[in-house]
Amino acid sequence: SQQGEEDPQALSIQEGENATMNCSYKTSINNLQWYRQNSGRGLVHLILIRSNEREKHSGRLRVTLDTSKKSSSLLITASRAADTASYFCATAPNRGATNKLIFGTGTLLAVQP
Amino acid sequence: GAVVSQHPSRVICKSGTSVKIECRSLDFQATTMFWYRQFPKQSLMLMATSNEGSKATYEQGVEKDKFLINHASLTLSTLTVTSAHPEDSSFYICSASSGSNEKLFFGSGTQLSVL
Repeated sequence: SQQGEEDPQALSIQEGENATMNCSYKTSINNLQWYRQNSGRGLVHLILIRSNEREKHSGRLRVTLDTSKKSSSLLITASRAADTASYFCATAPNRGATNKLIFGTGTLLAVQP
Repeated sequence: GAVVSQHPSRVICKSGTSVKIECRSLDFQATTMFWYRQFPKQSLMLMATSNEGSKATYEQGVEKDKFLINHASLTLSTLTVTSAHPEDSSFYICSASSGSNEKLFFGSGTQLSVL
Protein backbone atom coordinates (compact mmCIF):
# COMPACT_ATOMS: atom_id res chain seq x y z
CA SER A 1 0.00 0.00 0.00
CA GLN A 2 1.22 3.49 -0.78
CA GLN A 3 -0.81 4.95 2.03
CA GLY A 4 1.07 7.26 4.33
CA GLU A 5 1.27 6.73 8.03
CA GLU A 6 0.59 9.20 10.77
CA ASP A 7 1.51 9.23 14.38
CA PRO A 8 0.29 9.36 16.93
CA GLN A 9 -2.93 7.55 16.07
CA ALA A 10 -4.62 9.43 18.87
CA LEU A 11 -3.66 12.47 20.89
CA SER A 12 -5.38 13.98 23.91
CA ILE A 13 -4.33 17.39 25.21
CA GLN A 14 -5.65 20.25 27.33
CA GLU A 15 -6.95 23.45 25.85
CA GLY A 16 -4.15 25.93 25.31
CA GLU A 17 -1.51 23.28 24.73
CA ASN A 18 0.15 22.66 21.39
CA ALA A 19 -0.58 19.55 19.32
CA THR A 20 1.93 17.99 16.96
CA MET A 21 1.09 15.33 14.42
CA ASN A 22 3.54 13.59 12.13
CA CYS A 23 3.10 12.08 8.71
CA SER A 24 5.41 9.79 6.73
CA TYR A 25 4.95 8.87 3.10
CA LYS A 26 6.56 6.56 0.61
CA THR A 27 6.77 8.11 -2.86
CA SER A 28 8.11 11.33 -4.35
CA ILE A 29 5.55 14.08 -4.17
CA ASN A 30 4.46 17.27 -5.85
CA ASN A 31 2.89 18.62 -2.68
CA LEU A 32 1.57 17.51 0.70
CA GLN A 33 -1.70 18.67 2.18
CA TRP A 34 -3.35 18.47 5.56
CA TYR A 35 -7.08 17.99 6.01
CA ARG A 36 -9.37 17.99 9.00
CA GLN A 37 -12.43 15.77 9.47
CA ASN A 38 -15.06 16.16 12.13
CA SER A 39 -16.75 12.92 13.09
CA GLY A 40 -19.13 11.68 10.39
CA ARG A 41 -18.41 14.58 8.09
CA GLY A 42 -16.39 15.36 4.99
CA LEU A 43 -12.86 16.70 4.98
CA VAL A 44 -11.81 20.31 5.05
CA HIS A 45 -8.58 21.48 3.48
CA LEU A 46 -6.23 23.16 5.96
CA ILE A 47 -2.92 23.83 4.27
CA LEU A 48 -0.79 22.81 1.30
CA ILE A 49 3.00 22.71 1.24
CA ARG A 50 4.93 22.15 -1.97
CA SER A 51 7.88 19.81 -2.35
CA ASN A 52 10.29 22.75 -2.62
CA GLU A 53 9.03 24.35 0.59
CA ARG A 54 10.23 23.47 4.06
CA GLU A 55 7.81 25.31 6.31
CA LYS A 56 4.48 27.05 6.01
CA HIS A 57 2.21 28.90 8.41
CA SER A 58 -1.49 29.59 8.41
CA GLY A 59 -2.98 31.14 11.51
CA ARG A 60 -2.35 28.72 14.39
CA LEU A 61 -1.12 26.04 12.01
CA ARG A 62 2.51 25.36 11.20
CA VAL A 63 3.50 22.69 8.71
CA THR A 64 6.98 21.41 7.99
CA LEU A 65 8.15 19.17 5.19
CA ASP A 66 11.32 17.12 4.97
CA THR A 67 11.47 15.47 1.56
CA SER A 68 14.73 13.70 2.37
CA LYS A 69 13.00 11.87 5.20
CA LYS A 70 9.65 11.77 3.41
CA SER A 71 7.93 13.23 6.42
CA SER A 72 5.81 16.18 7.45
CA SER A 73 4.49 17.56 10.70
CA LEU A 74 1.47 19.63 11.59
CA LEU A 75 1.62 21.83 14.68
CA ILE A 76 -1.53 23.39 16.08
CA THR A 77 -0.67 26.06 18.63
CA ALA A 78 -2.85 27.22 21.51
CA SER A 79 -5.37 24.47 20.88
CA ARG A 80 -9.08 24.90 21.47
CA ALA A 81 -11.83 22.41 22.19
CA ALA A 82 -13.16 23.14 18.69
CA ASP A 83 -9.94 21.72 17.23
CA THR A 84 -11.10 18.26 18.26
CA ALA A 85 -11.22 16.26 15.03
CA SER A 86 -9.28 13.76 12.93
CA TYR A 87 -6.39 15.16 10.94
CA PHE A 88 -5.11 13.55 7.75
CA CYS A 89 -2.09 14.25 5.63
CA ALA A 90 -2.44 13.65 1.91
CA THR A 91 0.26 13.49 -0.73
CA ALA A 92 -0.03 14.46 -4.37
CA PRO A 93 2.12 12.40 -6.75
CA ASN A 94 5.00 13.94 -8.60
CA ARG A 95 3.73 12.58 -11.88
CA GLY A 96 0.32 12.15 -13.38
CA ALA A 97 -2.79 13.62 -11.80
CA THR A 98 -1.52 15.85 -9.01
CA ASN A 99 -5.02 16.04 -7.53
CA LYS A 100 -5.20 12.26 -7.01
CA LEU A 101 -4.31 12.33 -3.34
CA ILE A 102 -3.15 9.48 -1.14
CA PHE A 103 -4.29 9.91 2.43
CA GLY A 104 -2.46 8.98 5.58
CA THR A 105 -3.92 6.92 8.38
CA GLY A 106 -4.96 9.95 10.40
CA THR A 107 -4.54 11.29 13.91
CA LEU A 108 -7.53 11.64 16.20
CA LEU A 109 -7.05 14.78 18.27
CA ALA A 110 -9.09 15.38 21.39
CA VAL A 111 -8.73 18.77 23.08
CA GLN A 112 -10.10 18.77 26.60
CA PRO A 113 -11.67 22.04 27.76
CA GLY B 1 -14.43 28.36 -0.63
CA ALA B 2 -15.97 26.02 -3.15
CA VAL B 3 -18.95 23.96 -2.05
CA VAL B 4 -19.58 20.31 -2.79
CA SER B 5 -22.97 18.92 -1.89
CA GLN B 6 -23.44 15.20 -1.29
CA HIS B 7 -26.76 13.46 -0.86
CA PRO B 8 -28.12 11.59 0.91
CA SER B 9 -26.20 12.01 4.15
CA ARG B 10 -27.51 8.73 5.49
CA VAL B 11 -29.27 5.79 3.89
CA ILE B 12 -30.47 2.50 5.25
CA CYS B 13 -31.43 -0.15 2.74
CA LYS B 14 -32.23 -3.82 2.49
CA SER B 15 -29.73 -6.28 1.15
CA GLY B 16 -30.03 -6.67 -2.62
CA THR B 17 -31.24 -3.16 -3.35
CA SER B 18 -29.28 -0.48 -5.17
CA VAL B 19 -28.42 2.88 -3.71
CA LYS B 20 -27.47 6.05 -5.59
CA ILE B 21 -25.33 8.76 -4.04
CA GLU B 22 -25.05 12.17 -5.67
CA CYS B 23 -22.16 14.57 -5.55
CA ARG B 24 -22.62 18.10 -6.88
CA SER B 25 -20.23 21.00 -7.17
CA LEU B 26 -22.40 24.02 -6.45
CA ASP B 27 -20.27 26.98 -7.46
CA PHE B 28 -17.58 25.62 -9.74
CA GLN B 29 -17.11 23.19 -12.58
CA ALA B 30 -15.58 19.96 -11.41
CA THR B 31 -13.57 18.39 -14.19
CA THR B 32 -12.59 15.58 -11.86
CA MET B 33 -14.40 13.99 -8.97
CA PHE B 34 -13.11 11.30 -6.66
CA TRP B 35 -15.04 8.71 -4.67
CA TYR B 36 -13.69 7.38 -1.40
CA ARG B 37 -14.74 4.79 1.11
CA GLN B 38 -13.98 5.14 4.79
CA PHE B 39 -14.40 2.55 7.53
CA PRO B 40 -14.83 3.66 11.15
CA LYS B 41 -11.73 5.32 12.56
CA GLN B 42 -9.78 4.58 9.41
CA SER B 43 -8.43 6.60 6.54
CA LEU B 44 -9.99 7.32 3.17
CA MET B 45 -9.48 4.71 0.50
CA LEU B 46 -9.79 5.96 -3.06
CA MET B 47 -12.29 3.91 -5.01
CA ALA B 48 -12.36 5.64 -8.37
CA THR B 49 -11.61 8.79 -10.32
CA SER B 50 -14.44 10.26 -12.32
CA ASN B 51 -13.82 12.57 -15.26
CA GLU B 52 -16.66 14.39 -16.95
CA GLY B 53 -17.77 12.71 -20.14
CA SER B 54 -15.55 9.67 -19.85
CA LYS B 55 -15.50 6.36 -18.06
CA ALA B 56 -14.37 6.31 -14.48
CA THR B 57 -10.99 4.89 -13.55
CA TYR B 58 -11.26 2.38 -10.74
CA GLU B 59 -8.58 1.56 -8.21
CA GLN B 60 -7.29 -1.96 -7.93
CA GLY B 61 -9.68 -4.22 -6.10
CA VAL B 62 -12.76 -2.06 -6.66
CA GLU B 63 -15.48 -3.77 -8.67
CA LYS B 64 -16.68 -1.44 -11.40
CA ASP B 65 -19.88 -3.41 -11.89
CA LYS B 66 -20.60 -3.15 -8.20
CA PHE B 67 -19.89 0.55 -7.86
CA LEU B 68 -21.24 2.33 -10.92
CA ILE B 69 -19.98 5.85 -11.42
CA ASN B 70 -21.47 8.38 -13.79
CA HIS B 71 -20.08 11.87 -14.35
CA ALA B 72 -22.56 13.21 -16.87
CA SER B 73 -21.92 16.91 -16.32
CA LEU B 74 -19.29 19.22 -14.92
CA THR B 75 -21.27 19.62 -11.72
CA LEU B 76 -22.62 16.15 -11.00
CA SER B 77 -21.19 12.72 -10.36
CA THR B 78 -23.14 9.77 -9.03
CA LEU B 79 -22.08 6.57 -7.34
CA THR B 80 -24.52 3.67 -7.44
CA VAL B 81 -23.92 0.75 -5.14
CA THR B 82 -25.64 -2.10 -6.94
CA SER B 83 -27.16 -5.09 -5.16
CA ALA B 84 -25.88 -3.83 -1.85
CA HIS B 85 -24.83 -6.27 0.84
CA PRO B 86 -24.03 -5.73 4.52
CA GLU B 87 -20.30 -5.68 3.75
CA ASP B 88 -20.91 -2.59 1.58
CA SER B 89 -21.95 -0.69 4.69
CA SER B 90 -19.51 2.18 5.00
CA PHE B 91 -19.04 5.93 4.84
CA TYR B 92 -18.73 7.11 1.25
CA ILE B 93 -17.24 10.53 0.49
CA CYS B 94 -16.84 12.38 -2.76
CA SER B 95 -14.44 15.16 -3.58
CA ALA B 96 -14.03 17.46 -6.52
CA SER B 97 -11.39 19.62 -8.09
CA SER B 98 -11.53 22.16 -10.85
CA GLY B 99 -8.90 22.14 -13.53
CA SER B 100 -5.45 22.59 -12.08
CA ASN B 101 -6.67 23.29 -8.57
CA GLU B 102 -4.56 21.07 -6.39
CA LYS B 103 -6.69 21.04 -3.30
CA LEU B 104 -9.86 19.03 -3.07
CA PHE B 105 -13.28 20.08 -1.90
CA PHE B 106 -15.19 17.37 -0.12
CA GLY B 107 -18.82 16.49 0.20
CA SER B 108 -20.16 15.83 3.69
CA GLY B 109 -20.30 12.09 3.13
CA THR B 110 -22.96 9.39 3.01
CA GLN B 111 -23.31 6.77 5.71
CA LEU B 112 -24.66 3.63 4.05
CA SER B 113 -26.09 0.88 6.22
CA VAL B 114 -27.20 -2.30 4.49
CA LEU B 115 -29.42 -4.56 6.56
